[in-house]
Amino acid sequence: SQQGEEDPQALSIQEGENATMNCSYKTSINNLQWYRQNSGRGLVHLILIRSNEREKHSGRLRVTLDTSKKSSSLLITASRAADTASYFCATDNAGNMLTFGGGTRLMVKP
Amino acid sequence: DAGVIQSPRHEVTEMGQEVTLRCKPISGHDYLFWYRQTMMRGLELLIYFNNNVPIDDSGMPEDRFSAKMPNASFSTLKIQPSEPRDSAVYFCASSSGQRTDTQYFGPGTRLTVL
Repeated sequence: SQQGEEDPQALSIQEGENATMNCSYKTSINNLQWYRQNSGRGLVHLILIRSNEREKHSGRLRVTLDTSKKSSSLLITASRAADTASYFCATDNAGNMLTFGGGTRLMVKP
Repeated sequence: DAGVIQSPRHEVTEMGQEVTLRCKPISGHDYLFWYRQTMMRGLELLIYFNNNVPIDDSGMPEDRFSAKMPNASFSTLKIQPSEPRDSAVYFCASSSGQRTDTQYFGPGTRLTVL
């Protein structure tokens, strides 16, 4: 079974709005990563947050991690049509292997 | 750096044929991963190499699948014989340092088996 599960599976918003995606996982982790996949392309790494970190920012991206709840969220502020993509969380399963969730499909309407 | 390179980008073949997918990882990366992505099963890890040595092939679905890494700059994933259920997008990714560090993905090979 997948270690990380994203929620929602699909999200549709208007340009300029914020988009929030969540990831829940089952076992302890050393780090959690978020990736983006544009249609027909490979995954691209966005951000990595370690288990001893609670929040991390990168441009319009904000990632939080709550290890007590085994969950993470990815917030994209002021979304743009170019943000339309699938977003995946990946957890390292306590240093064993990187396991990807099923992804959230984000549609940003202009 | 050109990033991870995969070829071909698209492959259409008939059931029973042999298919070979190729990957060139980022220079200096010592981990290489092969994934398969389908709508039904999502992204699945098939096999990964460390310093050209296969470490875990437990994700390889059947004996029809095999992978090699003869040197640090080249890997192949072979399916023989191919079946329609093998139709998917196959990704190669590489990373340096730990096996759980950031992975850099290639553009993928879209395989269609008729």
